[in-house]
Amino acid sequence: AQSVSQHNHHVILSEAASLELGCNYSYGGTVNLFWYVQYPGQHLQLLLKYFSGDPLVKGIKGFEAEFIKSKFSFNLRKPSVQWSDTAEYFCAVTLITDSWGKLQFGAGTQVVVTP
Amino acid sequence: EAGVTQFPSHSVIEKGQTVTLRCDPISGHDNLYWYRRVMGKEIKFLLHFVKESKQDESGMPNNRFLAERTGGTYSTLKVQPAELEDSGVYFCASSQEVFADTQYFGPGTRLTVL
Repeated sequence: AQSVSQHNHHVILSEAASLELGCNYSYGGTVNLFWYVQYPGQHLQLLLKYFSGDPLVKGIKGFEAEFIKSKFSFNLRKPSVQWSDTAEYFCAVTLITDSWGKLQFGAGTQVVVTP
Repeated sequence: EAGVTQFPSHSVIEKGQTVTLRCDPISGHDNLYWYRRVMGKEIKFLLHFVKESKQDESGMPNNRFLAERTGGTYSTLKVQPAELEDSGVYFCASSQEVFADTQYFGPGTRLTVL
């Protein structure tokens, strides 16, 4: 079955540590890729997206992600996290030949950054 | 520019009752999506409107769920009668284009069915 997998459900790390969240998808066609974030008490917002071009994409708040087509992966990274990065992170995919842009989400990764 | 808004933010109802959730998309966005997250699970697609037309309702769980989009503006999602397994957070999102565009999400409605 087609799916989006996020490798970790919970991550706890200290401020200034580096963060990498894994995301793999199983769709065989051309995809658009997204990372969304939900901060406590806030709505889902877009961190970054990949549609085409340079596979290394930069987003807001110092986040970046790399699309590796051969590995069906789109991992999210941040070199040095802050307490304010505590949030739930969601990887999502749209299959451009699928119906009308619906997002397929991973299960989410809860990230807690301790001071 | 106002974002996507949803009402109510929380709803607690008893099994068998009816609940109607509302979503107001960003002005000018023709595409409106409904998603749901049941506790502990991933966010799942329910359906997609283009203007007032249902383009894809493949994610609707069953016929107890009815979505409408009046005049291509706001949308409602009615659950009738509600069951325990309908509890979760219902998200609405909107976008201008279908492909290669960002979907902007509302804050969600947390539905609890007792």
